[in-house]
Amino acid sequence: GAGVSQSPSNKVTEKGKDVELRCDPISGHTALYWYRQSLGQGLEFLIYFQGNSAPDKSGLPSDRFSAERTGGSVSTLTIQRTQQEDSAVYLCASSYTGTNINTIYFGEGSWLTVV
Amino acid sequence: AQTVTQSQPEMSVQEAETVTLSCTYDTSESDYYLFWYKQPPSRQMILVIRQEAYKQQNATENRFSVNFQKAAKSFSLKISDSQLGDAAMYFCAYRSDPGTYKYIFGTGTRLKVLA
Repeated sequence: GAGVSQSPSNKVTEKGKDVELRCDPISGHTALYWYRQSLGQGLEFLIYFQGNSAPDKSGLPSDRFSAERTGGSVSTLTIQRTQQEDSAVYLCASSYTGTNINTIYFGEGSWLTVV
Repeated sequence: AQTVTQSQPEMSVQEAETVTLSCTYDTSESDYYLFWYKQPPSRQMILVIRQEAYKQQNATENRFSVNFQKAAKSFSLKISDSQLGDAAMYFCAYRSDPGTYKYIFGTGTRLKVLA
């Protein structure tokens, strides 16, 4: 597609429920990132996928968070047993790593509210 | 570990005036990239400008320019002839080169443009 696409754009869920957030990166981009942005805060790195390499999961805050990337394209971030502190905007980004300077392109984010 | 610090949570500028947003970072690496991203209310992150650490010349993009001081680990953004459309959150970001493609972001500066 023309840009990074994320869905849903907004999600309200009850505490304890599981949620799935989807990211469709720019076609041909081999790298995919998930970041979390809490209200008034900066971007917190969650996870990074690069081609067929093992993902860098160092930013996932707990074992309730997981992500997968199928076929090197679409990615799903899953949050199990959601808590109120999970409320944030979840931003996905992608980049092409075939050049020296790899600018990342962000989607518009998925705003998650846990009530 | 690398860190990025933006010490100005909020800045205001009069339309047509010039404003400078500050960013400092901490790293032991010699090669890296620095970026400024803009996040308008739409939430989508937009690349404003980028700088390669090995280049001494400061990057410029139309009304946007940076003052890159490698020894001081400072990377400020100057916006000239400010326009109402410049109002947004601005994030400073760091990326190692080569190696990890993880981007480290600051906490952001909210820029208000006054008519």
